[in-house]
This record gives sequence, structure tokens and C-alpha cells, in this order.
Amino acid sequence: KQEVTQIPAALSVPEGENLVLNCSFTDSAIYNLQWFRQDPGKGLTSLLLIQSSQREQTSGRLNASLDKSSGRSTLYIAASQPGDSATYLCAVSNTGGFKTIFGAGTRLFVKA
Amino acid sequence: DTEVTQTPKHLVMGMTNKKSLKCEQHMGHRAMYWYKQKAKKPPELMFVYSYEKLSINESVPSRFSPECPNSSLLNLHLHALQPEDSALYLCASSQVPGPVVHEQFFGPGTRLTVL
Repeated sequence: KQEVTQIPAALSVPEGENLVLNCSFTDSAIYNLQWFRQDPGKGLTSLLLIQSSQREQTSGRLNASLDKSSGRSTLYIAASQPGDSATYLCAVSNTGGFKTIFGAGTRLFVKA
Repeated sequence: DTEVTQTPKHLVMGMTNKKSLKCEQHMGHRAMYWYKQKAKKPPELMFVYSYEKLSINESVPSRFSPECPNSSLLNLHLHALQPEDSALYLCASSQVPGPVVHEQFFGPGTRLTVL
């Protein structure tokens, strides 16, 4: 059974810092890995999607890497801003791509 | 248009009520999903529809009844719910997984409270 773990559970950093969020999964037979952002009480916003054949994806200040063999992904946020404060969730898809399993998330707080 | 809409935003219902949650997308996606999210927990998959047919039911109690009347709409009918069913219900859509598995787009959710 696939399990997704995110470390740390919470993180508080001053504005301008670069930071790394970690995600690990137990079953490497994934189709893709997706990073989401969720603001309190809101829906999920897709940030980056990495297909199983890819190693990384970049969008603006965000860079996500995937190492399938070791069951790990990282989300790198450069020059953090207070507007980046949110919960970041990673999710992996398997079972034909229909089942998406989420990690518990990392709650990020960026102090001005 | 990359938007998934959900109505209502908030819903309060008694345990004997019948209500429905609605989800709509106009991205041409033929896979649609219902998730349940309790406070401070990750979303949990409930149902998956592919080409308007139910593909996955994650052993959800029968008091939750999904319906996909057409390729743009997804409903979740609620009946005889329990207080522990109170949660944020999220709808998502994607292209049907194939050689490539595409990203899922989520709606803003319906905050359900069962009294």
C-alpha cells in the first residue's frame, strides 16, 4: 500500500530565504508526482507535475525534483515571500493513474 | 478556462436531510473525482469517474451517492449523513490517464457541516 510522507510537518522562515520541502513515498511504481498548494479552507492549486520519466520541473521560483528509485521528491522555493505561506502537499498517482495519494502536507509560514 | 467550480460553497444539513453537491468543468476533461478532506488532514479519494462511468469507489458508505450526468458535471448526493461526515468536499478533473498521467485541477470545495 502506497504511503506518502512529508517532512517537515511545519516550517517557519524569514522572508527571502530559500527552502526545501521533502516528500517520500514507499512504492516507486508511480505514474507521476504532483505538488499542490492549499490555503486555509480552500481548494488545491497545482504547482508542478513531474511525470515518472522526468527528473525535475521548474516554474518561476519553484523547482521540483523526483528520484523514483529512492522514493523521494523535493520542492525548492527560492527567495520566499509572505504570500508563499500555505500548506504544500505532494501527491503520487498509481493504479493506472486514477488513484492519487496525498502526503499530510508541510505548513509553511514566511515571516515579513 | 482552467476552472473547476463547486456549489454550494457552504452547506449545513441535519442527519435526516437529503442534499446534493455539484461540480462543473469545461476543460474537456473526461475523468472527474470526489475527495473528502477533514481538518488538518490530506484529501482522501472517494470516487473516480472516467468517461461518465464510475471507475473507482473507495469503499465509501452508501449514504454518499455519486452521479455523472454528462462529461462536464459531477454530483454527490447526500442522505442520512452523520456528524463525522462534516468535512471539505473537493472535486477535481483531469484528462483520462493513458500513456501520460495528467495533472488534476481542483475546485474550491464545499464545506459541509452535519448537525
